[in-house]
Amino acid sequence: GAVVSQHPSWVICKSGTSVKIECRSLDFQATTMFWYRQFPKQSLMLMATSNEGSKATYEQGVEKDKFLINHASLTLSTLTVTSAHPEDSSFYICSASRQGAGDTQYFGPGTRLTVL
Amino acid sequence: TQLLEQSPQFLSIQEGENLTVYCNSSSVFSSLQWYRQEPGEGPVLLVTVVTGGEVKKLKRLTFQFGDARKDSSLHITAAQPGDTGLYLCAGAALTGGGNKLTFGTGTQLKVEL
Repeated sequence: GAVVSQHPSWVICKSGTSVKIECRSLDFQATTMFWYRQFPKQSLMLMATSNEGSKATYEQGVEKDKFLINHASLTLSTLTVTSAHPEDSSFYICSASRQGAGDTQYFGPGTRLTVL
Repeated sequence: TQLLEQSPQFLSIQEGENLTVYCNSSSVFSSLQWYRQEPGEGPVLLVTVVTGGEVKKLKRLTFQFGDARKDSSLHITAAQPGDTGLYLCAGAALTGGGNKLTFGTGTQLKVEL
């Protein structure tokens, strides 16, 4: 149990376009979802935390108008990278937590974004 | 800001050798988790340690949480090529963190035949 999926697994887009990444908890209701970014050979950096039905909380230095997060249901959160630029190319990973599981986060497989 | 420093950053060893990865912080955590991540995939949880001084074993992997819950170590015995990957520690905030995890800087392990 506790499976998290992401779609798409990889995406290539042109500079200036927007890209939406979906994160779904397949077999549980996610009270909170988290979005991370990971550059090659580096660790995960938390971008934002989202709770269903409320606005996401962004980490310092993350532009909320550029990285739009929507958490419309207990099983789905989306991250939209608006007006993408080559420097936004990265590996985006989501995770989800559920009630009663303490600090445990269940991670998705990640989405590789390449902006040309 | 809570920082988790891992050492070493890179480690390349031969099959059968033992190794230890360290995860250090000046902050206290309510729990600490260890993950392994392979290229192009999300991190996979290996273990969660909660109690200061706790030791957990997972086959050839031994995890220890420091008495003060500020640091942790991962020891691998008789490493195998399948152990190759990026090892990440992650600490959960003591209070008010909203279940947020702070990830360590990572240790890239390569085990060669």
